[in-house]
Amino acid sequence: AQSVAQPEDQVNVAEGNPLTVKCTYSVSGNPYLFWYVQYPNRGLQFLLKYITGDNLVKGSYGFEAEFNKSQTSFHLKKPSALVSDSALYFCAVRDPYTGGFKTIFGAGTRLFVKA
Amino acid sequence: SQTIHQWPATLVQPVGSPLSLECTVEGTSNPNLYWYRQAAGRGLQLLFYSVGIGQISSEVPQNLSASRPQDRQFILSSKKLLLSDSGFYLCAWRSTGQGQETQYFGPGTRLLVL
Repeated sequence: AQSVAQPEDQVNVAEGNPLTVKCTYSVSGNPYLFWYVQYPNRGLQFLLKYITGDNLVKGSYGFEAEFNKSQTSFHLKKPSALVSDSALYFCAVRDPYTGGFKTIFGAGTRLFVKA
Repeated sequence: SQTIHQWPATLVQPVGSPLSLECTVEGTSNPNLYWYRQAAGRGLQLLFYSVGIGQISSEVPQNLSASRPQDRQFILSSKKLLLSDSGFYLCAWRSTGQGQETQYFGPGTRLLVL
């Protein structure tokens, strides 16, 4: 069975500092991994994905994520946080071979960036 | 390019009233379509998904139903709303074409049942 965990309900970081939002997953095969961001009263916006290839993937707004197969993790990172990065972040996973049509989403991590 | 629409954006309904939320996708054919509910600004609960016209899979037993009368139209309905149906409803689509793995979300409908 597929599952994804975001161990932190909330992450606080000062503007200009690096940020990390953690995600671990469990699938039986090779996963497709995704990060989304949600601003208040809005739908989820796609940030980046890992399908295959280079373990470090770059996405929108300066975000990147590193796929680590041995640790089954896909942490979201940004070298220098902005106040405007404050939002709710979702990690998601899909097993393309056994997961069918469903993408499994984590519970979300709320990021607060203080000026 | 593809776009996804949801309406209405906000809805306030009395308990026991019917519900119809609509989602349409443009710029793609035969997408997989999904309805999610998000409570209290946190996690997503998958309610229904559809792989084709008239094909609906329900993920959780509940007061809601879904229909897909056209290829790019997905409707969420209820005959009688409950207080617990309040929440933020999100529609999403995913292409079934090769190399299209990503799910894309609509703007959402906020439903308040009083």
